[in-house]
Amino acid sequence: KQEVTQIPAALSVPEGENLVLNCSFTDSAIYNLQWFRQDPGKGLTSLLLIQSSQREQTSGRLNASLDKSSGRSTLYIAASQPGDSATYLCAVSKGGGGADGLTFGKGTHLIIQP
Amino acid sequence: DAGITQSPRHKVTETGTPVTLRCHQTENHRYMYWYRQDPGHGLRLIHYSYGVKDTDKGEVSDGYSVSRSKTEDFLLTLESATSSQTSVYFCALLRVTIFGTEAFFGQGTRLTVV
Repeated sequence: KQEVTQIPAALSVPEGENLVLNCSFTDSAIYNLQWFRQDPGKGLTSLLLIQSSQREQTSGRLNASLDKSSGRSTLYIAASQPGDSATYLCAVSKGGGGADGLTFGKGTHLIIQP
Repeated sequence: DAGITQSPRHKVTETGTPVTLRCHQTENHRYMYWYRQDPGHGLRLIHYSYGVKDTDKGEVSDGYSVSRSKTEDFLLTLESATSSQTSVYFCALLRVTIFGTEAFFGQGTRLTVV
């Protein structure tokens, strides 16, 4: 059974710092990996999707990398801002839908101090 | 955001009553999911659907049933609500393309069973 772990569970940093969130998964036979952001009381917003054949994806100040063979992904946030405060979740998919549609980590709760 | 909406957004119900949550999509995607999110447990899959009248159980399906009579609607029913079913419920769909799969979530339904 696929297990996804996110470290750290919580992180508090001053504004302006660059930071890295980690995601690891036990079964490397994934189809893709997706990073989400969740604000308090809200749904999940997709940030980045990395296909298994890709090494990284970038969107603005966010960069996600994937090392499938080692079962790891990182989300890099450059020049953090208070508006980046949220919970960040990663999820892996074995592809094709079904019960393997998505397996989630428990998230990293990020606080950016002004 | 794949046009996915959940209703109601908030509900308080009494123990023992049946409750139905609705998930509606506008883009005709095949795969739809119901998750619950609880502190310390993260997101857990309740049921999923891979087409009209095609559904299957997830890891926490006891006490829940689902129906999908139309592509656009996926209903989750708590047959006899219990306090342990107090949670935030999320509906998701999977957009499947030749490039991979990407998940999109509704805004959630906060259910309180008293």
